[in-house]
Amino acid sequence: QSALTQPASVSGSPGQSITISCTGTTSDVGSYNLVSWYQHHPGKAPKLIIYEDVERPSGVSFRFSGSKSGNTASLTISGLQTEDEADYYCCSFTHSDTWVFGGGTEVTVL
Amino acid sequence: EVQLMQSGGGLVQPGGSLRLSCEASGLFFNTYSMTWVRQAPGRGLEWVSKIGAGGSPIYYADSVKGRFTTSRDNARNSLYLHMNSLRDEDTAVYYCAVYMYSAFDPWGQGSLVTVSS
Repeated sequence: QSALTQPASVSGSPGQSITISCTGTTSDVGSYNLVSWYQHHPGKAPKLIIYEDVERPSGVSFRFSGSKSGNTASLTISGLQTEDEADYYCCSFTHSDTWVFGGGTEVTVL
Repeated sequence: EVQLMQSGGGLVQPGGSLRLSCEASGLFFNTYSMTWVRQAPGRGLEWVSKIGAGGSPIYYADSVKGRFTTSRDNARNSLYLHMNSLRDEDTAVYYCAVYMYSAFDPWGQGSLVTVSS
């Protein structure tokens, strides 16, 4: 199972919005509403921020939103803040009853 | 509050074995599937295994199939990863996580496994 495709890095100024894409195939992203997104600050445990493509867990800021079209899912961070600097990973269920992550995107707040 | 406490990491020689543990608190452990995810140095997250609430079904990534075994002891609220025939490329921080919301949440603090001679 090949990793989902994410941009290596995305940057933005405080207050701006950024979008991270996550491209898979009809064997994973395109076939199930089971894409999740994780925020990972190095040295800490990853944190779930979006599940089932578009749902936000209780306690996660409304500035994080998910969407999907075909084989590509997206994470949008609006009102960018310095605390949003982290690595972000998408993950999808696959037709093999396994899970696959994206390669990760480093978000930099300029 | 759900908490996952991991233990068992360390240095092991290639071809060796190691067992990781993950003890859960703050949830009805026997009603949740659990998963293992790892991150090699400088690399991204990689899904390793998932085990059902009652101990089955169990799924593995191709990279560890036949070498790693996931198990759980619901009486001890504990999840285990038995790793055999370890290779250099298995060097990573290993995380356990609860399978909740059809995703992984929350995660343990991670256990570092270093495979080196």
